[in-house]
Amino acid sequence: ETGVTQTPRHLVMGMTNKKSLKCEQHLGHNAMYWYKQSAKKPLELMFVYNFKEQTENNSVPSRFSPECPNSSHLFLHLHTLQPEDSALYLCASSQTPGQGSDTQYFGPGTRLTVL
Amino acid sequence: GQNIDQPTEMTATEGAIVQINCTYQTSGFNGLFWYQQHAGEAPTFLSYNVLDGLEEKGRFSSFLSRSKGYSYLLLKELQMKDSASYLCAVRDEDYKLSFGAGTTVTVRA
Repeated sequence: ETGVTQTPRHLVMGMTNKKSLKCEQHLGHNAMYWYKQSAKKPLELMFVYNFKEQTENNSVPSRFSPECPNSSHLFLHLHTLQPEDSALYLCASSQTPGQGSDTQYFGPGTRLTVL
Repeated sequence: GQNIDQPTEMTATEGAIVQINCTYQTSGFNGLFWYQQHAGEAPTFLSYNVLDGLEEKGRFSSFLSRSKGYSYLLLKELQMKDSASYLCAVRDEDYKLSFGAGTTVTVRA
């Protein structure tokens, strides 16, 4: 499946580095999401964009900075991260976030390790 | 916050049936989803329930009881490829989706 793609798939960075994660959806959806997935923990919603506008920031530290230039692309800019930020970062998209049946489709994730 | 509980791990034999339970306490309810996630891969959508009852899709079925705050995912005729993590997610009254921690199912020959 190539509906939602993410690059890079793996990233190792030092605490002083700056890097960016990229997500692209080919489904014609209007909304895009960033989630953090840590081992044995529920997916944590980080940010939501609907029609390129940020509609939710789930109390995410400012060292994570999202960017949504259009409905098909979503970035997560990372700077001065901490080791506890190491996790799988998942991107998702959906068509109509205000409907109960709205289904989110996920990308394969970026496995981030902060040294 | 929302509370969604599911068992951490389950093991079953190839060809058998496994039932993964999910209980939830949320502010309102606008549907429950099940996702399958193989190690290192994207979660993929399996089912959506909003009304009470059983939804069947081939070997997989999902059941919902809104009054009990309870759902289960039933996997029949287990195959080795069904070894994965299964995520329960609930949409609340504000249409926010909250996930459980996932149930890792291991299918043994």
